[in-house]
Amino acid sequence: DAGVTQSPTHLIKTRGQHVTLRCSPISGHKSVSWYQQVLGQGPQFIFQYYEKEERGRGNFPDRFSARQFPNYSSELNVNALLLGDSALYLCASSLRGIVNTEAFFGQGTRLTVV
Amino acid sequence: KQEVTQIPAALSVPEGENLVLNCSFTDSAIYNLQWFRQDPGKGLTSLLLIQSSQREQTSGRLNASLDKSSGRSTLYIAASQPGDSATYLCAVQPDSGNTPLVFGKGTRLSVIA
Repeated sequence: DAGVTQSPTHLIKTRGQHVTLRCSPISGHKSVSWYQQVLGQGPQFIFQYYEKEERGRGNFPDRFSARQFPNYSSELNVNALLLGDSALYLCASSLRGIVNTEAFFGQGTRLTVV
Repeated sequence: KQEVTQIPAALSVPEGENLVLNCSFTDSAIYNLQWFRQDPGKGLTSLLLIQSSQREQTSGRLNASLDKSSGRSTLYIAASQPGDSATYLCAVQPDSGNTPLVFGKGTRLSVIA
């Protein structure tokens, strides 16, 4: 079985642009979470979706948005990019919702904003 | 607010040595604790998941313990190998509502051949 897949693996954007990151969960998993990891820090929670509904949101500005599709894949959108948005964006899938389930992570998308 | 601390931030050991990585958390109200491995620039690989009712979990050369009341977990790596070199992250899942994983900053391990 394929693990969590994320695309693209790397991308470079200019300040003010918009970016869309994509994630496909493990087959059978219905929950997808997004995390941002800046260099030297642990991942910080951005969003969680379960059964196509937003179930949790971290302390990120409204420039960040996400959605989950009927096949449980997910997109993370970031508008009006800032230099500080440069980070590794990680997607995690789990069988059920947030509560007490093991999370499996993808390889991440490295976003560089110049 | 739950906070997770990992000590040391970096560790360098010779091959073959047994080692212990430490993780502490401020609020003992958790569902579980998970240890991850992260290679440079890569995603996270789940190593061990310990439920709040468990004391330890083992996988191969890895053993993780959990003392929920004192807010501590350790990851023991036996007979370390150069391939173990990576950053090891500890994360807890608070048991208050729909709360996601809270991560420490990790311990960067280097195993020298």
